[in-house]
Amino acid sequence: DTEVTQTPKHLVMGMTNKKSLKCEQHMGHRAMYWYKQKAKKPPELMFVYSYEKLSINESVPSRFSPECPNSSLLNLHLHALQPEDSALYLCASSQVTGVGYTFGSGTRLTVV
Amino acid sequence: QKEVEQNSGPLSVPEGAIASLNCTYSDRVSQSFFWYRQYSGKSPELIMSIYSNGDKEDGRFTAQLNKASQYVSLLIRDSQPSDSATYLCAVKTSYDKVIFGPGTSLSVIP
Repeated sequence: DTEVTQTPKHLVMGMTNKKSLKCEQHMGHRAMYWYKQKAKKPPELMFVYSYEKLSINESVPSRFSPECPNSSLLNLHLHALQPEDSALYLCASSQVTGVGYTFGSGTRLTVV
Repeated sequence: QKEVEQNSGPLSVPEGAIASLNCTYSDRVSQSFFWYRQYSGKSPELIMSIYSNGDKEDGRFTAQLNKASQYVSLLIRDSQPSDSATYLCAVKTSYDKVIFGPGTSLSVIP
């Protein structure tokens, strides 16, 4: 299995909703990441988990809450988002930090 | 100065030509460098990693690294229309973060 699986692929949510994005990999990778990508822009780092511990939080607003329940799973909990949070949310994993990533196909989020 | 910069596109090359993509970075102690390809509407895909000065070849792709000049490049030989995509340079900084450049859009004209 050489894939990173993200669900859902598309999500529309209201500003008062709570939703979660899910990411799963079975490659034995010990580093997992959340990136945010706006149209025609590069991916922007949000969070890094290394060996299931949060190692980097790029000053992301608290309405985004990451969780790593085990070495294969990464969640991103969303609450009270703003329309400007609409973007493609990419999960990635790598064997350890500092090497090349495998990206999931992303969740396209629209906040209305 | 931005942490990772790439030559502004779009870059158009005829089919069969060599496409040359350039990237510079600001963190002198960076040690790991990556090239990703991203097709429109898709997620990025790793195509090359390079860690040492010099050239690294993989099929039609050659990555070149010059740490003294803080410069990374990607050459695509015998360019094909299927190579048309945005190419993202990524650099692992001294804070263990991987930062992406703005990307260069490549169009290969049949």
